[in-house]
Amino acid sequence: DAMVIQNPRYQVTQFGKPVTLSCSQTLNHNVMYWYQQKSSQAPKLLFHYYDKDFNNEADTPDNFQSRRPNTSFCFLDIRSPGLGDAAMYLCATGGGPLQETQYFGPGTRLLVL
Amino acid sequence: QKEVEQNSGPLSVPEGAIASLNCTYSDRGSQSFFWYRQYSGKSPELIMFIYSNGDKEDGRFTAQLNKASQYVSLLIRDSQPSDSATYLCAVKGAAGNKLTFGGGTRVLVKP
Repeated sequence: DAMVIQNPRYQVTQFGKPVTLSCSQTLNHNVMYWYQQKSSQAPKLLFHYYDKDFNNEADTPDNFQSRRPNTSFCFLDIRSPGLGDAAMYLCATGGGPLQETQYFGPGTRLLVL
Repeated sequence: QKEVEQNSGPLSVPEGAIASLNCTYSDRGSQSFFWYRQYSGKSPELIMFIYSNGDKEDGRFTAQLNKASQYVSLLIRDSQPSDSATYLCAVKGAAGNKLTFGGGTRVLVKP
């Protein structure tokens, strides 16, 4: 089945220790998104790619970076995680006739100790 | 003022009843509207999308869109305990591919 896959599902890191979250998709969608979601809050868009065109949200901290080496994979790098970065990180792809229908992966829950 | 607003709930409905969820948005140029269901600790799952004014039905779910009044609603008929979740309304604006999410409405279906 075509899908969006995120690894790992749970990630524990130490304060200040870099961490990388990965996302892959078999949907062959051009658009990929990274969201941060904290408990009882709406998903917050961090950045998105349209093909290799990178789009950063204005309020995304510099601590967060992303790479998309090819259509299938996208990575979220957190250079120096703080306690406030503990959250669920959601990857989504954009499909449909206008590539606007978003399909989410299962998410990676990040815990910062 | 938030761009997409939802009542946070919880909306408590008895099993078998109709759950009615509302969402209002501020961007009059918005074109596409989505409803996602999110179980606790899980990722959002697309339920429905709607582009045109009126009703769109899919199984027990009906989405209703009124662009003049800038609201979109979701009806869940014959509610089941498995429908207990947070329902997120998402809106695509006039430009770009980004979605703006509401804060979600938590629904509790009681047996």
